[in-house]
Formats: sequence, structure tokens, C-alpha cells
Amino acid sequence: DGGITQSPKYLFRKEGQNVTLSCEQNLNHDAMYWYRQDPGQGLRLIYYSQIVNDFQKGDIAEGYSVSREKKESFPLTVTSAQKNPTAFYLCASSITADTYEQYFGPGTRLTVT
Amino acid sequence: SQQGEEDPQALSIQEGENATMNCSYKTSINNLQWYRQNSGRGLVHLILIRSNEREKHSGRLRVTLDTSKKSSSLLITASRAADTASYFCATETSYDKVIFGPGTSLSVIP
Repeated sequence: DGGITQSPKYLFRKEGQNVTLSCEQNLNHDAMYWYRQDPGQGLRLIYYSQIVNDFQKGDIAEGYSVSREKKESFPLTVTSAQKNPTAFYLCASSITADTYEQYFGPGTRLTVT
Repeated sequence: SQQGEEDPQALSIQEGENATMNCSYKTSINNLQWYRQNSGRGLVHLILIRSNEREKHSGRLRVTLDTSKKSSSLLITASRAADTASYFCATETSYDKVIFGPGTSLSVIP
């Protein structure tokens, strides 16, 4: 999985609770991404960061928040405002934002009941 | 609306046969990539083909790009059971981030 770690692999939460998903990379990549994957669908971009202390909303940012205080870390918080949070979450990185090949972590499967 | 869409949605073949998956997209692209995803895992980059390229090879993989038809195909020759996975195309345009299609689920039966 290319030097990107996500933890935990499975996460269970009660509705109404915020939860933070971890993503760490040791590839010295500038850009990092968070995607959501639902069954039978492709990946949808939640947030991305081109450089430390900067991040941009993707296509489905509502109900999510991120931070990029360190180059190697890009945690994603799923807030209680996210109406349908149960999904498979994938973190990825690329050398720069203009480098198109992305390296993916193993994913975190979040179940909210 | 989706930029890239793979076809077929699901494909089942016998080991040793060739597998062909197609990707169609709507707007002009700078490049197109193919990724593989094993069940419950992250995606792995396979090949990137630029808009001025027509064909690329990598081992048993052959990717073609027809910009006039806005389509790409991924051919896996002499398939193996280990090729069982979902395959995604991802397009990159001048004004957007990389966009992934919904994928083709390939099953290779031993």
C-alpha cells in the first residue's frame, strides 16, 4: 500500500458522534486526498491538500473536516452533520498536486449505527 | 455527472482468457489512468496514458486511448486468478482533479 497507513481498518460509531480517521504517509509527498467509496460506485473526492497548512473542498465535503498541520499527516473528521457516514474511506497521496499518479492507503471501513 | 464510466460493470472469465474493459468519458482530458482495487483494499496504479498517446503496455496489460471517441480500453492478456479485482479508470482534465469512474468488477475463474 505504498507507504500510506490508515487506521483503524474497521471503525464503529454511534450516530451523533464525531469520529477522526487517521492517514499518515512517509513518501514525502506534498499532496494528499480523502475519498469516499460506496458499494458499486467510484471514488468521490471529499477534501484534498496540495501543501501543508492548505486544503480544499472536494465534491462531497459537507459533514467532513480535515487538517494538514504536518506534511505526513492528513486526518479526516466525520462529523455528526454527515447524513450518511457509513462508507469505505480511502486516503491517497501524490508527489505534487500536478502529479497524477496517486498512492492509496488500505482504507478504513466506517460503520455508524 | 460522471466524467468516466467503465463498461462492463462486471466481467467473468476463465483463467487464461483475455479480459477487456472499456472506459468512456465526456470532456477532453490531459491523461487517463487505470487503477486496480482488490476487495476491501486501497487502489493500485496500473498505467497512465497521456492524451497524445494511443497505446501503452505494461507486462500483460495493454491500454489504448482514442480521443476522437473519448474512450480507453484496458486489456489483460492470459488472465490469472490473482487478476480478480475491480478496475477503475480515472480522468484528469485541465480544470478538475482526477475523477474516478464506477469501476469494472473482474472475476477470473481458475
